[in-house]
Amino acid sequence: AQSVSQHNHHVILSEAASLELGCNYSYGGTVNLFWYVQYPGQHLQLLLKYFSGDPLVKGIKGFEAEFIKSKFSFNLRKPSVQWSDTAEYFCAVTAPLYNTDKLIFGTGTRLQVFP
Amino acid sequence: DGGITQSPKYLFRKEGQNVTLSCEQNLNHDAMYWYRQDPGQGLRLIYYSQIVNDFQKGDIAEGYSVSREKKESFPLTVTSAQKNPTAFYLCASTDNGRTNTEAFFGQGTRLTVV
Repeated sequence: AQSVSQHNHHVILSEAASLELGCNYSYGGTVNLFWYVQYPGQHLQLLLKYFSGDPLVKGIKGFEAEFIKSKFSFNLRKPSVQWSDTAEYFCAVTAPLYNTDKLIFGTGTRLQVFP
Repeated sequence: DGGITQSPKYLFRKEGQNVTLSCEQNLNHDAMYWYRQDPGQGLRLIYYSQIVNDFQKGDIAEGYSVSREKKESFPLTVTSAQKNPTAFYLCASTDNGRTNTEAFFGQGTRLTVV
């Protein structure tokens, strides 16, 4: 079955620590990849996206993600987290070869950053 | 301001009753989606619609129904057949159904069955 896996369910960090959240998908062929963030009490919003080109994409608030096709991965990184990064992070995929518009999400990673 | 409006924000339902959640968008987006968010399970796709008068089942469609009579509206009905309806429901839309555009989300409706 088509799926997106986020292996880190809950991550706890101190401010200034580096962050890497894993995301793996099970589709072959062309994929479009997204990271969304949900701050407490707020809408889901887009952090960054990859469609084609440079596999290292930069998003808002200092986040970046690297698409590694051979590993079916799209891990999210940030060199130095802040308390305000406390939120839930979701990886999502669309796979045109399977279904043009079906946007599939991972189970999410809850990040807590302590001062 | 353009966006997606979900109503109501909180909804209580007695067991055995159907209830309809509203989702309206003024973004002129073709595609609309309904997700269910439960702790530890992420967002699971219930139904989605790429165009007016057409919709497809997602991964957890059982016990739910939708309609898409207008481009801007995609209401979700939670029927009495849904065994565990208490959850947070999110509506989303994308532009022209193109895969390489971001999804915009509503603020969600929290449904509680009492």
